[in-house]
Amino acid sequence: NAGVTQTPKFRVLKTGQSMTLLCAQDMNHEYMYWYRQDPGMGLRLIHYSVGEGTTAKGEVPDGYNVSRLKKQNFLLGLESAAPSQTSVYFCASSYPDPEQFFGPGTRLTVL
Amino acid sequence: GQQVMQIPQYQHVQEGEDFTTYCNSSTTLSNIQWYKQRPGGHPVFLIQLVKSGEVKKQKRLTFQFGEAKKNSSLHITATQTTDVGTYFCAGPIAGGTSYGKLTFGQGTILTVHP
Repeated sequence: NAGVTQTPKFRVLKTGQSMTLLCAQDMNHEYMYWYRQDPGMGLRLIHYSVGEGTTAKGEVPDGYNVSRLKKQNFLLGLESAAPSQTSVYFCASSYPDPEQFFGPGTRLTVL
Repeated sequence: GQQVMQIPQYQHVQEGEDFTTYCNSSTTLSNIQWYKQRPGGHPVFLIQLVKSGEVKKQKRLTFQFGEAKKNSSLHITATQTTDVGTYFCAGPIAGGTSYGKLTFGQGTILTVHP
């Protein structure tokens, strides 16, 4: 089992560009999450999904959109990137396992 | 809103010394989870505590959940260089159905000097 995978691992964008981060899990988990991690601020929830075809806003959703067309995939989109979105992005999945399984992360820099 | 605070933010120890990080929630938690993130890595689940006053051990790591279920601690005995990383506590987001959503503390960054 690969667990949770994320692509790409690194990306540099210019302000105003768009991109999509892909998360895939092979554990048949119902719930999936997108977090961003910034120094000294822990992990902050951007959006989450409780099943195929459903999405909901987390703590810091502005500037991001998500889609979950298939149970195993959860996409995070940035329509018009801003320097404030420079961060490390982690995808995670859970349920029925109570703990969250994290992907390796995507390091995004917006110039 | 619900807050989960961790102290200290940083801890530097000599190899062999003990280490403790504390987690405090503004609300009562149904359970608390602990994660470890190695430098450059991703968070990895360590343990979940559910019962009031619960104590669990994993080799040199001891986890406690407070009687009021609003605080928790992680204690490492005789640290090793392999313990280096950031330790996070996380509690379910309060109210309604949490859908597994967690509020993470800011983390404690542990460095171990050989």
